Amino acid sequence: EADIYQTPRYLVIGTGKKITLECSQTMGHDKMYWYQQDPGMELHLIHYSYGVNSTEKGDLSSESTVSRIRTEHFPLTLESARPSHTSQYLCASSIPGLAGDAYTGELFFGEGSRLTVL
Amino acid sequence: AQKITQTQPGMFVQEKEAVTLDCTYDTSDQSYGLFWYKQPSSGEMIFLIYQGSYDEQNATEGRYSLNFQKARKSANLVISASQLGDSAMYFCAMREGHSARQLTFGSGTQLTVLP
Repeated sequence: EADIYQTPRYLVIGTGKKITLECSQTMGHDKMYWYQQDPGMELHLIHYSYGVNSTEKGDLSSESTVSRIRTEHFPLTLESARPSHTSQYLCASSIPGLAGDAYTGELFFGEGSRLTVL
Repeated sequence: AQKITQTQPGMFVQEKEAVTLDCTYDTSDQSYGLFWYKQPSSGEMIFLIYQGSYDEQNATEGRYSLNFQKARKSANLVISASQLGDSAMYFCAMREGHSARQLTFGSGTQLTVLP
């Protein structure tokens, strides 16, 4: 059972509001990720982190920002939410790969945060 | 070009029957990992099974098995003895190379198990 938590699960807000989606994991994983997923569609990576003070943008351009001040915490912030930001946001962390091979470690996901911007 | 292709947007299967969900991938790396995830309507992603590019045996985890055909670049998921609780979206994903940073996902297959 993975110990990765996201809050809030559901959020409905008005345009222009600042929001922060929280993500915490208690497994001590160095690698953490944020994916964006529209209903019934594939996941797209928007941010990732290899460890404390390390953050990079993913393949899908996003107006959100992230920070990684502590290993267990990887929050995502939208300074001014717009209807185009309506989506599900999934946080994940990754175990180290077998024998140091980065490609072998699966991702553990949180339950997701469903954001609706009116 | 798509790295992961799932050609079946939706599939139906009778309860207790087996079902195969297709996945083909595209990579020039020799080292890569293939993953299958299940996403119920509640939204969370549940890891099911993993296959490494150097693994000679097909991966199995309970009722899940992965039919890995390296030359064809396919990694189909087989679910045996389907249950009503198997109804969900299923995603195939790949991670490439030794400095891999992320999983790349396919577009998913919606599986519905009929009573």
